[in-house]
Amino acid sequence: AQKITQTQPGMFVQEKEAVTLDCTYDTSDPSYGLFWYKQPSSGEMIFLIYQGSYDQQNATEGRYSLNFQKARKSANLVISASQLGDSAMYFCAMRESTSYGKLTFGQGTILTVHP
Amino acid sequence: NAGVTQTPKFRILKIGQSMTLQCAQDMNHNYMYWYRQDPGMGLKLIYYSVGAGITDKGEVPNGYNVSRSTTEDFPLRLELAAPSQTSVYFCASSYQQDSYEQYFGPGTRLTVT
Repeated sequence: AQKITQTQPGMFVQEKEAVTLDCTYDTSDPSYGLFWYKQPSSGEMIFLIYQGSYDQQNATEGRYSLNFQKARKSANLVISASQLGDSAMYFCAMRESTSYGKLTFGQGTILTVHP
Repeated sequence: NAGVTQTPKFRILKIGQSMTLQCAQDMNHNYMYWYRQDPGMGLKLIYYSVGAGITDKGEVPNGYNVSRSTTEDFPLRLELAAPSQTSVYFCASSYQQDSYEQYFGPGTRLTVT
């Protein structure tokens, strides 16, 4: 069964607008972590944001915030005030507490920011 | 700190050849991981290690081998390369299994023809 699902193969947003990238997950582990990574065309993996399953508040890092809805098992990434440099592939990933730190990745969403 | 380094950056192999992808980290991290990324897809775990001398299989281990003789190095060995192993390979590390961040190397792009 797919543990991490990103249903949006591609998304478009106008510069300076906000955009939400969807991620749903499936786990029976009560303790887990959710991550978002950015992969620009150059190929490197850039860590953006982390949310722990017991965190009471949604994580925020600058223009990135994670809309964590535990009951719905969703962990959507919100990028505010999009910039041209945000154009990239975005991956959602999950780490379960019993997994020795191993990450399970979704298929990714390609974000294109239009000027 | 150099972080996580990988060599080579690019490599073309013929079917049946073997090679070792090198990965090193200078952050004294216990946990290290090898992932592969096929075109347009997410990353999948090949092998991982929780410390020197301890390794285990991930989701897609067939055709690969690893060793971890030191904390710093975690090489990935491809024996008898096949076209299905054409991929981008990422090495990653973290200090603990529940660390806030997993640090990734720049990747090795491998083509098998």
